[in-house]
Amino acid sequence: GESVGLHLPTLSVQEGDNSIINCAYSNSASDYFIWYKQESGKGPQFIIDIRSNMDKRQGQRVTVLLNKTVKHLSLQIAATQPGDSAVYFCAENMGGGGGNKLTFGTGTQLKVEL
Amino acid sequence: DAMVIQNPRYQVTQFGKPVTLSCSQTLNHNVMYWYQQKSSQAPKLLFHYYDKDFNNEADTPDNFQSRRPNTSFCFLDIRSPGLGDAAMYLCATSRDRGVAGNTIYFGEGSWLTVV
Repeated sequence: GESVGLHLPTLSVQEGDNSIINCAYSNSASDYFIWYKQESGKGPQFIIDIRSNMDKRQGQRVTVLLNKTVKHLSLQIAATQPGDSAVYFCAENMGGGGGNKLTFGTGTQLKVEL
Repeated sequence: DAMVIQNPRYQVTQFGKPVTLSCSQTLNHNVMYWYQQKSSQAPKLLFHYYDKDFNNEADTPDNFQSRRPNTSFCFLDIRSPGLGDAAMYLCATSRDRGVAGNTIYFGEGSWLTVV
């Protein structure tokens, strides 16, 4: 399954399928990007990050792809499990002086169907 | 073990009655942040501290204040809560600032209800 945009869409996938969550970011000067997973009633949990000098990074069952030309970020989850059900936020870090400023996208609700 | 600890997890306050939310961290990080997250929305940065330096976001209302008495603790004070301030408040930390790749760690949040 695949989702597009920042409108808190819902992506429903079957257990075992691959999930693709997309995000369009706003600032071409952003130098660092992070995906967070947020389960109901909990704080965001770091999943994976990528710097702007990379276009792909892999973790355990997750891959992040970065396309700076079109300012697009995606999170791929392999073999989606029920425990992956959550809201997923992409965040861009604009860096610079004054602290890491994370700007979050609206989020995508991932629902895993058994 | 939790590294960013927020208390209380749930807070009910009366309209206009001051409320304080607390955050502590065991990571010895220099930077501490407060975010506001309303239902079905993304977290929104209110302000952050780099060590003792306070950095307010331009659109954060004056009703929201913060204190950081030492490295480990940071407080969010809402001077006169309105109904629109009902939200989850997230504390977060990072080791440093201005360097790409500094992971930001979040606490579990404090849910504020205003009645």
